[in-house]
Amino acid sequence: QVQLQESGPRLVKPSETLSLTCTVSGCSITSYYWSWIRQSPGKGLEWIAYIYHSGNTDHNPSLKSRVTISLDTSKNQFSLRLNSVTAADTAVYYCVRHQSNDRGSYDYWGQGTLVTVSS
Amino acid sequence: IQLTQSPSSLSASVGDRVTITCRASQGVSTYFAWYQQKPGKAPQLLIYAASTLQSGVPSRFSGSGSGTDFTLTISSLQPEDFATYYCQQLGSYPRTFGQGTKVDIK
Repeated sequence: QVQLQESGPRLVKPSETLSLTCTVSGCSITSYYWSWIRQSPGKGLEWIAYIYHSGNTDHNPSLKSRVTISLDTSKNQFSLRLNSVTAADTAVYYCVRHQSNDRGSYDYWGQGTLVTVSS
Repeated sequence: IQLTQSPSSLSASVGDRVTITCRASQGVSTYFAWYQQKPGKAPQLLIYAASTLQSGVPSRFSGSGSGTDFTLTISSLQPEDFATYYCQQLGSYPRTFGQGTKVDIK
């Protein structure tokens, strides 16, 4: 049974870096594409970035260059770093698995973690 | 690519046929998906490749369309179907979602 679990600080101060990790169980992280999605009341669902074990990555241009996504095959985990956060980055963050290739729909989601940006 | 989903909300009764539409600002072929989200839960995949039912999803859900116009239909609304539905395009980056359609009880 495939499961994804987000972990990381729930409270981040403005201008600091948000860091989240997604731990995957039930499948190999090298077999699929992976993304981070976030959901805030003001902007709905927003795709943040994707990664594949080959090193392929991409991120949403709306986040400029604040995003870093990485993958640790030894731990079957992938991670998100978002720097210079503001209150607008407050959201529920989800990690997801792509169904097949990078154009695959998201067939497995983590439960989501609420990250609040506040001093 | 902008996705315009309509309606933004609707009220319906158990047994009703419900149709939600989503229009893309550019063609995305059939790289299109629909998700259902219940309060406090992560979205769940219903339909992928515009019209393929995800494993385990009841057959009362169906999807159609290609290019710029897509439809999600629930043939006979059940109590567990009251939720918010989102469309998503996977035809180009950045991936984008519709703003959601909330289906509640009439």
